[in-house]
Amino acid sequence: ETGVTQTPRHLVMGMTNKKSLKCEQHLGHNAMYWYKQSAKKPLELMFVYNFKEQTENNSVPSRFSPECPNSSHLFLHLHTLQPEDSALYLCASSLGLAGNTEAFFGQGTRLTVV
Amino acid sequence: EDKVVQSPLSLVVHEGDTVTLNCSYEVTNFRSLLWYKQEKKAPTFLFMLTSSGIEKKSGRLSSILDKKELSSILNITATQTGDSAIYLCAVGAYTGANSKLTFGKGITLSVRP
Repeated sequence: ETGVTQTPRHLVMGMTNKKSLKCEQHLGHNAMYWYKQSAKKPLELMFVYNFKEQTENNSVPSRFSPECPNSSHLFLHLHTLQPEDSALYLCASSLGLAGNTEAFFGQGTRLTVV
Repeated sequence: EDKVVQSPLSLVVHEGDTVTLNCSYEVTNFRSLLWYKQEKKAPTFLFMLTSSGIEKKSGRLSSILDKKELSSILNITATQTGDSAIYLCAVGAYTGANSKLTFGKGITLSVRP
């Protein structure tokens, strides 16, 4: 248990659906992240929020829309996804910016787009 | 573009063996190198190495950062089946006012009884 909780753990959605992934941490961390992990590929950084402000959008398609209402919660809203978006989506948090302090990861959401 | 390369990509050993996992990097404005263990889903933090802390040890695991060679190794001695996992290397670098982690593809370690 890392202190970072993601829901749901598994999600199957059609290409026309809208769904949201949720992440929460009560570690007192100030930075939160979304990563995508596909088979045989490195973890890809998608979004970074620092003190609720988005500080990085790593050229992610607009069908992925993040939301950070407060420092403890992070959402990833999904709509009109493609089958190639199927992957493990990991949320992480860190006290300071990643690289200055270690990041703690949630269990991830295994997303399948059909 | 920042790059992190891990080798080998996969490794099979027997319990009791010692393994060495490698990570090399090319990044601008290096800040730190981190090792994670990923067993099922959540990567769990192992070590963070910086210019001021180039060697870390915890039980059977140890890691060294070689800033001259731009690389790091993770050693596991007396391996156990519970060490079977994917080992991820990530490098932290400054990006202006921010910093970010770049991950390697990971090394899949299988420890056979």
